[in-house]
Amino acid sequence: AQKVTQAQTEISVVEKEDVTLDCVYETRDTTYYLFWYKQPPSGELVFLIRRNSFDEQNEISGRYSWNFQKSTSSFNFTITASQVVDSAVYFCALSEGVSNTGKLIFGQGTTLQVKP
Amino acid sequence: GAVVSQHPSRVICKSGTSVKIECRSLDFQATTMFWYRQFPKQSLMLMATSNEGSKATYEQGVEKDKFLINHASLTLSTLTVTSAHPEDSSFYICSASHEVSYNSPLHFGNGTRLTVT
Repeated sequence: AQKVTQAQTEISVVEKEDVTLDCVYETRDTTYYLFWYKQPPSGELVFLIRRNSFDEQNEISGRYSWNFQKSTSSFNFTITASQVVDSAVYFCALSEGVSNTGKLIFGQGTTLQVKP
Repeated sequence: GAVVSQHPSRVICKSGTSVKIECRSLDFQATTMFWYRQFPKQSLMLMATSNEGSKATYEQGVEKDKFLINHASLTLSTLTVTSAHPEDSSFYICSASHEVSYNSPLHFGNGTRLTVT
């Protein structure tokens, strides 16, 4: 069965600390997509990254980086030098199949609080 | 880039009334749109897949007669919550699939916060 697990419900850090949000997924498909979204208090979902199952290369975008490990079915997200504006709920999500559809299975989300 | 617009952003209605929520793709044609529901402090759960020109596909446990979905054009899908009750109070959010561009990110609307009194 398809499943996304974000074991960390809440994380609290002090500004400038690095923080890693964990994501573990389950799928029977060999082709799938993984996503990370940020949901600030206002509620909208902000797209952060999409990764397909054939691309295990890690990615860095500014203070954000992602570590995709198929061997452990994990797609972890690290924020370096966290800032107060990073405070939000972060969702990891999975989409199965060869096409990049919008049918996503979301994890439970991790609430990140960055304190000044 | 692709943008999805959702309206209204907030709505308060009385129990027993119906509420319509619109989801529009602004600069691309979306043959498929998706409706999600998020209860407070919970994750997003897919409710249904909206297909242009055909019937929506509902996820298990979602009442199709209560949550009416219409996808009459390639840029608009609507979700109508019929005979709303307080337990329908939730955050409803849509996304659109830009199937032409498989490398495009998936965009969501800004969501609609429904409160049924």
